Amino acid sequence: ETGVTQSPTHLIKTRGQQVTLRCSSQSGHNTVSWYQQALGQGPQFIFQYYREEENGRGNFPPRFSGLQFPNYSSELNVNALELDDSALYLCASSLGGTAGGEKLFFGSGTQLSVL
Amino acid sequence: EDQVTQSPEALRLQEGESSSLNCSYTVSGLRGLFWYRQDPGKGPEFLFTLYSAGEEKEKERLKATLTKKESFLHITAPKPEDSATYLCAVQARGNNDMRFGAGTRLTVKP
Repeated sequence: ETGVTQSPTHLIKTRGQQVTLRCSSQSGHNTVSWYQQALGQGPQFIFQYYREEENGRGNFPPRFSGLQFPNYSSELNVNALELDDSALYLCASSLGGTAGGEKLFFGSGTQLSVL
Repeated sequence: EDQVTQSPEALRLQEGESSSLNCSYTVSGLRGLFWYRQDPGKGPEFLFTLYSAGEEKEKERLKATLTKKESFLHITAPKPEDSATYLCAVQARGNNDMRFGAGTRLTVKP
């Protein structure tokens, strides 16, 4: 059984650029959630995808968008990068979608630095 | 709005010195309260889920308890390998997201 994998592990971008982060969910999991974790803070919910549909969104602007593919892997896209977007981006997979109350399996994250 | 507050922010213990971490929460209908461990440069690793007041879960040196307003993570006779940031999160009924606290950074000295 493979765990959650994210790529790339580190990324440096400049303000105004666009970035795509990728995530492969754990085998058998159909739900992917994305979180942003600033230094010294807990993860903040960006959005969740269940069977290729967005299934909940946190308080993030529309320039944060995502996709989930038929194999349940996922992408997070951020347009018009701002300095405050510098953070660790975490992908988490689970089995349940709307069932809720289930534990999340996290990847190791992508550390994004915006200069 | 759902809120999670963890205390203390940081805790330094000697090996073998037991202590407790606190997680205070407000949520409109609790679906579950979760504890995670996060090592530097890694994603959070699941420890426990608690669903109702009075529930307790144990794993090795860790024990999690839940009341209607807070949860405690008790660490008995900790070892240096228990050093990590411990995160508490709540999920409300009808929501698909988890609201995390800022975490408690635990350091256990040999």
